[in-house]
Amino acid sequence: AQTVTQSQPEMSVQEAETVTLSCTYDTSENNYYLFWYKQPPSRQMILVIRQEAYKQQNATENRFSVNFQKAAKSFSLKISDSQLGDTAMYFCAFMKHANAGGTSYGKLTFGQGTILTVHP
Amino acid sequence: GAVVSQHPSRVICKSGTSVKIECRSLDFQATTMFWYRQFPKQSLMLMATSNEGSKATYEQGVEKDKFLINHASLTLSTLTVTSAHPEDSSFYICSASGGFVDTQYFGPGTRLTVL
Repeated sequence: AQTVTQSQPEMSVQEAETVTLSCTYDTSENNYYLFWYKQPPSRQMILVIRQEAYKQQNATENRFSVNFQKAAKSFSLKISDSQLGDTAMYFCAFMKHANAGGTSYGKLTFGQGTILTVHP
Repeated sequence: GAVVSQHPSRVICKSGTSVKIECRSLDFQATTMFWYRQFPKQSLMLMATSNEGSKATYEQGVEKDKFLINHASLTLSTLTVTSAHPEDSSFYICSASGGFVDTQYFGPGTRLTVL
């Protein structure tokens, strides 16, 4: 079974500053996906960024980037130029790759979440 | 982008009654839908996975007779909470995917309160 751990229950950052959210995971799989989701106060889950484990290059999406360390099983999210609208709960999530087979393909395993507050 | 809706967004019911929550994919065919439960300030816990036209697969510890899931069409899945009790009060979220389940689109969630 896979586990995802987010060790920071809450974080805060000043507007325009940079913040990094931590995530570690445990799996015996070699092929998988990792995700960061954002859940603002509206509670709508929004995909922030996605990483495929076989890709060495770190994924980036505008102000959001990840530091994917496969050997260390670490997947941190860096938010640059933080904006007030970034205030949300952030979840790190793991999914087995289709090639891994079995019945758990498609299932997302979420971390505990990190509440991020961006202060003006 | 793909849109998933849920209805109702909020529901309050009396203990012992049943409540049905709908999850619809509005602009794509959802071959697989997932149902999650979330308590305040906590993570999402997967309850079950449903594929169109077949029985849902429930996660360990989830009572399939209490949480009935139907995925009768490629655009609609329903979760029925039967004989609801106050401990069933929670936020229920669905997600849907098309041919590739590595891309899931989430609904806005349904807040269930059982009195």
